[in-house]
Amino acid sequence: QVQLQESGPGLVKPSETLSLTCSVSGGSINPYYWSWIRQPPGKGLEWIGYIHYSGTTNYNPSLKSRVTISVDTSRDQLSLKLTSVTAADTAVYYCARDRSGRTDVWGQGTLVTVSS
Amino acid sequence: DIQMTQSPSTLSASVGDRVTITCRASQSISGWLAWIQQKPGKAPNLLIYDASNLESGVPSRFSGSGSGTEFTLTIRSLQPDDAATYYCQQYNSFSRTFGQGTKVEIK
Repeated sequence: QVQLQESGPGLVKPSETLSLTCSVSGGSINPYYWSWIRQPPGKGLEWIGYIHYSGTTNYNPSLKSRVTISVDTSRDQLSLKLTSVTAADTAVYYCARDRSGRTDVWGQGTLVTVSS
Repeated sequence: DIQMTQSPSTLSASVGDRVTITCRASQSISGWLAWIQQKPGKAPNLLIYDASNLESGVPSRFSGSGSGTEFTLTIRSLQPDDAATYYCQQYNSFSRTFGQGTKVEIK
């Protein structure tokens, strides 16, 4: 059974870059798409973007200028970088498998707080 | 971008009730819609995909229907374990969009 585990700093300063990693276990990154999704405290889900194992990406237009998602197939990991963060980027960040469009496997999520 | 609008935002129902949540898309998404359940403090969980297909392991009291721009999630006989927030998600386009969520409370 595929499991996802997000990791990275829980606290990021304003204007700096948020960097997270998602490790995939129990299965391979091939041949799926993989998404990052976030949820501000007490609010709904927001799709950030996805990456195909081949490296093809697509991002939420509202975040596109600040987001980079990458994949390391040799390590079965994907990464998220979000630049120039503000308090509005404080959220639980999830990685998830995008299987033919549906998000069928989710990580447990990791809370990232943007604060000085 | 495709916008997804859910109604109601909150509903309160009794155990055994039939519950229906509606999701409307700003343009046709054919049948490319999923329903996701999120319990407090937990990661979301897929219930329904392609508008009406039940994900493996999901109780049969959950069902989905619709196509084009209007979709529904029905819980046939509400159980205490169903207290959660439910989201619809479209995947018709290259991007993905979630509805704002519907919180289901048990009376």
